Parts: sequence; structure tokens; C-alpha cells
Amino acid sequence: QVQLQESGPGLVKPSETLSLTCTVSGDSIRSYYWTWIRQPAGKGLECIGRIYSSGSTNYSPSLNSRVTMSVDTSKNQFSLRLSSVTAADTAVYYCARLGRSGHFDYWGQGTLVTVSA
Amino acid sequence: DIQMTQSPSTLSASVGDRVTITCRASQSISNWLAWYQQKPGKAPKLLIYKASSLESGVPSRFSGSGSGTEFTLTISGLHPDDFATYYCQQYNVYSEWTFGQGTRVEIK
Repeated sequence: QVQLQESGPGLVKPSETLSLTCTVSGDSIRSYYWTWIRQPAGKGLECIGRIYSSGSTNYSPSLNSRVTMSVDTSKNQFSLRLSSVTAADTAVYYCARLGRSGHFDYWGQGTLVTVSA
Repeated sequence: DIQMTQSPSTLSASVGDRVTITCRASQSISNWLAWYQQKPGKAPKLLIYKASSLESGVPSRFSGSGSGTEFTLTISGLHPDDFATYYCQQYNVYSEWTFGQGTRVEIK
């Protein structure tokens, strides 16, 4: 069974960089795309972007200038960095696997990141 | 950008009811559509992919249909465990993924 687990600071100061890591177990990180999705409290879901095991990425146009994703196949992990954060970036951040038909079939439990001084 | 619009935003129903949620895309997405169920404090759970394919382990009372721009999720016989928020999600050839705004199914 594929399992994903997000980790990283739960509190980030405005203008700083949010950094999260997702650890994948139960399957190799190779041969799939892996994604980050966020959800502000009481609101809908927003896909931030995806990364392949080769390091190839696609980012949401609205976040493209602030997002960097990376992958470490030796650790079966992938990471998210979001720079210049504001209160609007406060959300639950999920990592998820992108299935073959463009759907998200496995999800982490989510981690709340609050942007506040 | 492709916009996804779900209706209704909230739906009140009783156990045993047949429930239908609609999702419309602002342009054709063929059958690249998925449906998810989300409960408070939990990650979304995949129910349906490619518009009508049931994810393994999901009860058969859930079904999806549609193609192009209009899609439906049907729950044939609402169970107590089905009261939740449901999201549709599209995928297109530009490597973009967009979710609908969600439909909350609440107890009548």
C-alpha cells in the first residue's frame, strides 16, 4: 500500500520560504509524477504543481514564480519550496501521487502551514 | 485556464436517497475527470477517475458519467458514511489540474 507523509515547519514568517518534504513508502518514487496540493481553511483545493522522478516539473501558472519542487530518489522523497509567503499561503498542504489518468490516487494526511509573524 | 463549476454547492438529503452532483467544464476535457470525497480534517479520497471508472475499494453505489463538458456523480442510496464534501477535478493536455468548488452533502 502506497503511503505518503508530509513533514516541515508548521509556522512560517511572512516574506520567508515555506519548505515541505513528502516521504513515500510502499512504492518506488520512480515512474510516477508526484504533486503538491493545498487547501485554505474552509475553501477548495488548489494544485501547486507536479514533479517526475527525473526532476521534470510543471507548476501552476499562478504560483510559478515562487515555487520550486525537487526530488531525492535515494530517499524516496520529494520537496516543495514556496518563497515570499504571505498570509494567503496559509493552508493545509497535501502531497499526492498523480495517477495515469490525471487523477490523484494516493494522498498524504496533510500538514497545516500558517504564515504569521 | 479551464474552470470547473459544481452544482449544487450544498445538498440536503436523507439516508437511502439517490443523489446527483453535476460538474461542468468551461471547455471540453474529453473524459479526464475525477471525483473525490472529503471529510472534515481528512485528505480527499479518490472515488472515480476517467469520468466513470470506479476506484478499487469504492462501493458500487458511487458512479460517474459524462464526457466533454458535463459530468455527474451519482450516489444510489445514500449511506450515513456518505455525508461529506465532494469535488470534481479535471486534467488537460496543458498539464493543468483544476478542482470544482465542492458540493457539501448534508443530512436533511
